[in-house]
Amino acid sequence: DGGITQSPKYLFRKEGQNVTLSCEQNLNHDAMYWYRQDPGQGLRLIYYSQIVNDFQKGDIAEGYSVSREKKESFPLTVTSAQKNPTAFYLCASSADRERAEAFFGQGTRLTVV
Amino acid sequence: GQQLNQSPQSMFIQEGEDVSMNCTSSSIFNTWLWYKQDPGEGPVLLIALYKAGELTSNGRLTAQFGITRKDSFLNISASIPSDVGIYFCAGLTYNTDKLIFGTGTRLQVFP
Repeated sequence: DGGITQSPKYLFRKEGQNVTLSCEQNLNHDAMYWYRQDPGQGLRLIYYSQIVNDFQKGDIAEGYSVSREKKESFPLTVTSAQKNPTAFYLCASSADRERAEAFFGQGTRLTVV
Repeated sequence: GQQLNQSPQSMFIQEGEDVSMNCTSSSIFNTWLWYKQDPGEGPVLLIALYKAGELTSNGRLTAQFGITRKDSFLNISASIPSDVGIYFCAGLTYNTDKLIFGTGTRLQVFP
C-alpha cells in the first residue's frame, strides 16, 4: 500500500539528548514537510523540502535539523537546543508544487522528561 | 510566520444541523486545502481547491475558493456524530513553497 509512515508513534527522551524522528513515503512525492502541533493548537511548519538534497527552514526551525538524501526519506532531528521539544510531530508529503495536496503520516508524540 | 485565521475556533452543534467555517488571510493564495484531524492522528485531506471561485463537494462537505483568493469556506450539511474533530484549512501562496495551516476549528456534535 502507498503511504507515508512515521515511526515510532510514541517516543520518550531525557532532556539534553538529541532524538531523530523517522518519516518515509512510497508515493514518489517530491515535496516533504515537518510540522509541530502543541495541545489545542494548529500546525506550525518546521522544515520543508521540495527536492532531494535541498530543504528550507519553516517558521520554527530553531533547535531542529533535517536531511533529504533520498526522495522517500525526510528524517527530523530534535536537538538539545530546542527549548520545548515535547509535542506531536507530523510529517507530510505532496507530489509537487502544482499538485499541492499534502498527505500526512500518523504522527510521533515526543515526550522529553 | 504567515498565518491563516480560522473561525470560529470551536462549534457545539446538534446532530442534523449544518455547519459553516471559514479561513482568511492577508495574502493571496493559489491553493486551498481542507483537512479533518481526529485526536492523536494525522490530518486527513477532505477537499482541494485550485481556482478562484471554485466550488467543490465531497459528500456532505462543500468548500469554496474565495474570489479574492484571500479566503475559503467549508460547509458541512446534516452533521453526524462522526463529524466530530478539528478542521484545518491550509494554503499555498504564489511566491512561496510553504504549505501554511490555519489555527483550526474544533467541532463537537451532540446527538
